[in-house]
Amino acid sequence: GAGVSQSPRYKVAKRGQDVALRCDPISGHVSLFWYQQALGQGPEFLTYFQNEAQLDKSGLPSDRFFAERPEGSVSTLKIQRTQQEDSAVYLCASSLVGLGFYEQYFGPGTRLTVT
Amino acid sequence: TQLLEQSPQFLSIQEGENLTVYCNSSSVFSSLQWYRQEPGEGPVLLVTVVTGGEVKKLKRLTFQFGDARKDSSLHITAAQPGDTGLYLCAGAGNQFYFGTGTSLTVIP
Repeated sequence: GAGVSQSPRYKVAKRGQDVALRCDPISGHVSLFWYQQALGQGPEFLTYFQNEAQLDKSGLPSDRFFAERPEGSVSTLKIQRTQQEDSAVYLCASSLVGLGFYEQYFGPGTRLTVT
Repeated sequence: TQLLEQSPQFLSIQEGENLTVYCNSSSVFSSLQWYRQEPGEGPVLLVTVVTGGEVKKLKRLTFQFGDARKDSSLHITAAQPGDTGLYLCAGAGNQFYFGTGTSLTVIP
């Protein structure tokens, strides 16, 4: 498909489990963003890649969160030892170039529920 | 931390009514975007405004960027049920900051 895809769409994890969320950006898009969105709220920035370089990870809430994009395409957001407060929708977006007024194309998100 | 405050947070109106959503911040942004998000989907870009004072129209939607580039508004004329969704403003600075969101319901 031509859009951003994310998998899985839904993930239920028991507290303490590790999870890995995958993002496939639009082919050729240089920039990739991860966001966390609580129900009915706006997305909150987590981290940003330009190609394989992680240029900003200031939004990651704790050292249990880790993101990578080793080949400058697919990205994985990993959460270790999940806690209930990690329950949210995790959105991935890609953009042809970097920050600014370029359009970000969003995936459908992964809804993570930690029980 | 969300730098952009939107108001109102919730809005429920009848089909055909007009409405305005506000997006305010104390920070200056190089550009500001408006998105609409439907349940189970990611946000979709509606418009980007770059210049202070800029006004853009997209059919029944009118977007305005404040002169100081700190605030913006979205006005919808003659709302339709298809306009229902979560409206988000987003400002570009060192990061991309999304607003708190406005959930709009248009009742047929």
